[in-house]
Amino acid sequence: QQQVKQSPQSLIVQKGGISIINCAYENTAFDYFPWYQQFPGKGPALLIAIRPDVSEKKEGRFTISFNKSAKQFSLHIMDSQPGDSATYFCAASMFSGGYNKLIFGAGTRLAVHP
Amino acid sequence: NAGVTQTPKFQVLKTGQSMTLQCAQDMNHNSMYWYRQDPGMGLRLIYYSASEGTTDKGEVPNGYNVSRLNKREFSLRLESAAPSQTSVYFCASSAGQLYGYTFGSGTRLTVV
Repeated sequence: QQQVKQSPQSLIVQKGGISIINCAYENTAFDYFPWYQQFPGKGPALLIAIRPDVSEKKEGRFTISFNKSAKQFSLHIMDSQPGDSATYFCAASMFSGGYNKLIFGAGTRLAVHP
Repeated sequence: NAGVTQTPKFQVLKTGQSMTLQCAQDMNHNSMYWYRQDPGMGLRLIYYSASEGTTDKGEVPNGYNVSRLNKREFSLRLESAAPSQTSVYFCASSAGQLYGYTFGSGTRLTVV
């Protein structure tokens, strides 16, 4: 069962534009929502994360917007650059069964054209 | 560079062969994980180890076994490889929820 739904599957943005990736979750027990960035041939790397008691978190050009009532969150990449071209995964986390359980979305392949 | 080290990086197996994927971390993390990544399906948890000496099944454990050899090492074994196990395998470790996961660079496995 897919507990975290991510869209779109792929995204093409012009340099300088805004990239927006959306995610929705089902389980209200999730209490931490990270985003991971993955370049070809590499493992995913933590990009930015948010807790559900905060509606927005910004780090440089990357912003997470969080809507607890709608159970949705999104990643905005401002002033997108060709170096941002990568696959982005949203995730939802909760501490369960003695470990940090992390459920990933299916991923969005972002291409930023110069 | 410190982090999570996976070996091998690439492997081709014939159906029915066995192999072990190795993973080691040098960050003193308690929790370690094995994921597989398939196109359009994100990363799915195969097995995890919350601490040294414990292992548990994740979302897609069938056809796999694991060993938490010590705090540093967590191996994944395919006893009888099948074409459906063709995938990219990632090992990860974590110091806790707020610190996220640190992933290795992956093993690309092809079963023919």
